[in-house]
Amino acid sequence: DAGVIQSPRHEVTEMGQEVTLRCKPISGHNSLFWYRQTMMRGLELLIYFNNNVPIDDSGMPEDRFSAKMPNASFSTLKIQPSEPRDSAVYFCASRTGTSGSSYNEQFFGPGTRLTVL
Amino acid sequence: DQQVKQNSPSLSVQEGRISILNCDYTNSMFDYFLWYKKYPAEGPTFLISISSIKDKNEDGRFTVFLNKSAKHLSLHIVPSQPGDSAVYFCAAIAYGNKLVFGAGTILRVKS
Repeated sequence: DAGVIQSPRHEVTEMGQEVTLRCKPISGHNSLFWYRQTMMRGLELLIYFNNNVPIDDSGMPEDRFSAKMPNASFSTLKIQPSEPRDSAVYFCASRTGTSGSSYNEQFFGPGTRLTVL
Repeated sequence: DQQVKQNSPSLSVQEGRISILNCDYTNSMFDYFLWYKKYPAEGPTFLISISSIKDKNEDGRFTVFLNKSAKHLSLHIVPSQPGDSAVYFCAAIAYGNKLVFGAGTILRVKS
């Protein structure tokens, strides 16, 4: 299995531009998570989906952030407009099991390092 | 409010010695705890976990201890190897809810 695939691996953009991060979860996994890692706050959960449906988006920092999962094999995280404080590493993760499962091993992608100038 | 805290940003240990990474939590509803390991330019990978009904889980060189009364868990690595140098994240979950991560501890194992 190829694992969780994220693209691009690196993104450098200017303030005000739209940024789209992409994720392909592991085949057969029905839960997908988007995280942001910063030095100050560590790993923060932004949003997660179960069976392509957003379950909890309370971690999305503001309306500039949006996420979609149009099918079981693809998800996007969009920032519009982007700001320098959005600079971070964004991880996608997936797992099997439903939201009722107590065991929650998640498999992470390699991350997208975003730099907003 | 940080529900999972890793108060040591970094730890340096000599090869062959024991590494002890600590984690504290505040939410008594957490019933499962995990440790993830992260190398530079890679995503975190699952290392070891423990259910709240246990106080110890061992997997090779890695042992996790849970003290529920103190709301504290620790990861022991014995013996430490240079390849263990990485960032270690503690995480916790309450039934049917999401993972909450600590800020991470950078472990450096010196040869």
